[in-house]
Amino acid sequence: DGGITQSPKYLFRKEGQNVTLSCEQNLNHDAMYWYRQDPGQGLRLIYYSQIVNDFQKGDIAEGYSVSREKKESFPLTVTSAQKNPTAFYLCASSIDPGQSNEQFFGPGTRLTVL
Amino acid sequence: GENVEQHPSTLSVQEGDSAVIKCTYSDSASNYFPWYKQELGKRPQLIIDIRSNVGEKKDQRIAVTLNKTAKHFSLHITETQPEDSAVYFCAAILLSGSARQLTFGSGTQLTVLP
Repeated sequence: DGGITQSPKYLFRKEGQNVTLSCEQNLNHDAMYWYRQDPGQGLRLIYYSQIVNDFQKGDIAEGYSVSREKKESFPLTVTSAQKNPTAFYLCASSIDPGQSNEQFFGPGTRLTVL
Repeated sequence: GENVEQHPSTLSVQEGDSAVIKCTYSDSASNYFPWYKQELGKRPQLIIDIRSNVGEKKDQRIAVTLNKTAKHFSLHITETQPEDSAVYFCAAILLSGSARQLTFGSGTQLTVLP
């Protein structure tokens, strides 16, 4: 559980501001993912990255951006273009798919737009 | 793309009774179906999974069944306990190459009444 961390736990943002959510893992996992969770809904994929310097859009990428400069880190930026950013954001990672399909989740960041 | 529907959205059972949560998926090519449990304020954690070449899998009090023809799979929890109270998510994925895009159901809030 402690192998994947997210910060901050709570984040407040004013409208029109960009904010960056941190996700770090020391599990030596190849793949990393960002999900958004809204009340009464499942997890929706924002972006994912299979390897360093490569990432792909998920189902709801509009208004978000990511980078994968290091294997351990996959920060998510919520831009002002995201119309409804208030949500719970979960980062996950998984090892080489040839070994396991399990995704390990971080503790999440709750973003609130004021 | 894949679409996963999950029912019911809420489920209350008496302690000791069984609970069943059902999911249907749309893409007949999907071949891996995990179930995640998310306790209040915590991160989702994998509790059981099944591949499409298996019809049923058990792990102590929990079991998952898969009907590929009907494209549905179910989570069964027997002898429920208060600590089983949580939100349960089903998911589906096509294990092909390096892509690991999970599509989640909308979740089931299970409450076990003492």
